[in-house]
Amino acid sequence: QKEVEQNSGPLSVPEGAIASLNCTYSDRGSQSFFWYRQYSGKSPELIMFIYSNGDKEDGRFTAQLNKASQYVSLLIRDSQPSDSATYLCAVRPAVRGSQGNLIFGKGTKLSVKP
Amino acid sequence: NAGVMQNPRHLVRRRGQEARLRCSPMKGHSHVYWYRQLPEEGLKFMVYLQKENIIDESGMPKERFSAEFPKEGPSILRIQQVVRGDSAAYFCASSPSQGNSPLHFGNGTRLTVT
Repeated sequence: QKEVEQNSGPLSVPEGAIASLNCTYSDRGSQSFFWYRQYSGKSPELIMFIYSNGDKEDGRFTAQLNKASQYVSLLIRDSQPSDSATYLCAVRPAVRGSQGNLIFGKGTKLSVKP
Repeated sequence: NAGVMQNPRHLVRRRGQEARLRCSPMKGHSHVYWYRQLPEEGLKFMVYLQKENIIDESGMPKERFSAEFPKEGPSILRIQQVVRGDSAAYFCASSPSQGNSPLHFGNGTRLTVT
């Protein structure tokens, strides 16, 4: 059973701080990793994707991937109250190659306090 | 609107009735995925379809649930003889046929079984 694990939180950070969200996955052959944000009652919204080991930055967001440790993380710099949401880590199983469904973690609830 | 379109947004059915959920993928996308999300739970993969083909239905319950993506028209997720446990948010996502692509989600259909 392919699994994606996240700490459910809630993770509470003060406004302006760095929020660090972590995710581990069990399928060692996975090649594609995604972070989605989901506000309460809304649909998941893609934030970032990463395919190679290392860091990938986009604005205030940085995704980090370590395939040897089967670990992917999302850093949010200068956190804002509007970042308060549930963050979903998703992995495309190796058997799917470059297409196919994603396996989602249960999400980490982030709360940014003003 | 070039996004993934789902309808209806809300659907109420009595136990034993049928529910039909529709999804039109983003323009240029030929892959459709259905996910179910229970309150406070993660996204659970149900089925992955391309036009006129079911590619992976490993997440679909064996009975009462079916999905199709015909040559013309939207993808349909059909739930026969609904039970209270079917109450959930059902999300459709789409991706293009080429490349290692993320999934883009629609706004979802909230199904309530009374």
